[in-house]
Amino acid sequence: GAVVSQHPSWVICKSGTSVKIECRSLDFQATTMFWYRQFPKQSLMLMATSNEGSKATYEQGVEKDKFLINHASLTLSTLTVTSAHPEDSSFYICSAGEVKASTDTQYFGPGTRLTVL
Amino acid sequence: AQKVTQAQTEISVVEKEDVTLDCVYETRDTTYYLFWYKQPPSGELVFLIRRNSFDEQNEISGRYSWNFQKSTSSFNFTITASQVVDSAVYFCALSDGSSNTGKLIFGQGTTLQVKP
Repeated sequence: GAVVSQHPSWVICKSGTSVKIECRSLDFQATTMFWYRQFPKQSLMLMATSNEGSKATYEQGVEKDKFLINHASLTLSTLTVTSAHPEDSSFYICSAGEVKASTDTQYFGPGTRLTVL
Repeated sequence: AQKVTQAQTEISVVEKEDVTLDCVYETRDTTYYLFWYKQPPSGELVFLIRRNSFDEQNEISGRYSWNFQKSTSSFNFTITASQVVDSAVYFCALSDGSSNTGKLIFGQGTTLQVKP
């Protein structure tokens, strides 16, 4: 149980285009999903907290107009990187927590590797 | 402020050796949760354990064991008889139990290399 999927697993795009990444909880409902960014050989940096049916809460320094988050249902959250540039190239990871309590364990997706040319 | 420190950046051991990964945390909260995650080369984070601040019992799961000591704010992870498949980056994380946001604060990670 507690499986989280991400799609696509990797994407290469041209500078200036937008890329959408999907995060799904496959066998449980998640009121809260989290989006992280990870640079090579570094730790995970929380970008935003996504709550079903409401606006996402962004961490300080994260541009909400550039990284659009939509949490349309209890099993799906999407991250859209708008007008991507090479500096947006990174490994993006989502996680989902079960409905029972927001402090319950987070289960992570396999990540999406974004390369912007 | 909350903080997680994993002082060991990289550890290299030979197969069958025991290895301990250190984790020290800082928090002013009385209710909090501590986690360990494994990130193999594939990139996916694998949940290993969660411990709440009121449960100081040590835990053993197969070759894995965890030592939680509130007095030293540490939550160390030991792998007994390490195997090549244990090679990965291991992250210790702290969750804020009082704010109920579920946000995790990650340490910098420890890269473990187990050589055959």
